[in-house]
Amino acid sequence: DAGITQSPRYKITETGRQVTLMCHQTWSHSYMFWYRQDLGHGLRLIYYSAAADITDKGEVPDGYVVSRSKTENFPLTLESATRSQTSVYFCASSEDSSYNQPQHFGDGTRLSIL
Amino acid sequence: QKEVEQNSGPLSVPEGAIASLNCTYSDRVSQSFFWYRQYSGKSPELIMSIYSNGDKEDGRFTAQLNKASQYVSLLIRDSQPSDSATYLCAVKWYAGKSTFGDGTTLTVKP
Repeated sequence: DAGITQSPRYKITETGRQVTLMCHQTWSHSYMFWYRQDLGHGLRLIYYSAAADITDKGEVPDGYVVSRSKTENFPLTLESATRSQTSVYFCASSEDSSYNQPQHFGDGTRLSIL
Repeated sequence: QKEVEQNSGPLSVPEGAIASLNCTYSDRVSQSFFWYRQYSGKSPELIMSIYSNGDKEDGRFTAQLNKASQYVSLLIRDSQPSDSATYLCAVKWYAGKSTFGDGTTLTVKP
């Protein structure tokens, strides 16, 4: 049961570079989410997806792009990285939008932008 | 105003005591409520869910929900040092999205 996997686990890059964080789930869950977690801010939703080819903005979408061509993959791209995007990024999935379906989280990607 | 507020903590309790974690949420159509535990450097993991008013018990954990007061809490009985972590309250709205509180950090001292 591989569940939900994120890659890379750690990434260091420079300002202005493009970087893509990968998320893959093996459950065929409909919903997938991207969060960032900074000290003092908890989990903030960046983007989410209800199904393949359906994505929507969350609370803090600026500077990020997502796509979901396949149900199992939900990559997050920082088109031109800035220092303020240094954070821990979590991908999560949920079976559907039913009230009793929790989110399941990947192990996270720790991203540092110099 | 944040949609989900947790007591800011940090909270420190002696081993064997009851730890009480609280969460309030704004007046929106809320479906369900989840408590996640997050150890330092790790990802959140689900420990409890509650959907109806009242109490729900699972081992040493009890979740309490009062929709009229827009309040949900988590009690941890017989606290152990291994319970030391940050606890996140999540409120699930319609359309599948959830809002998380900022978390309360609990330390259980031996």
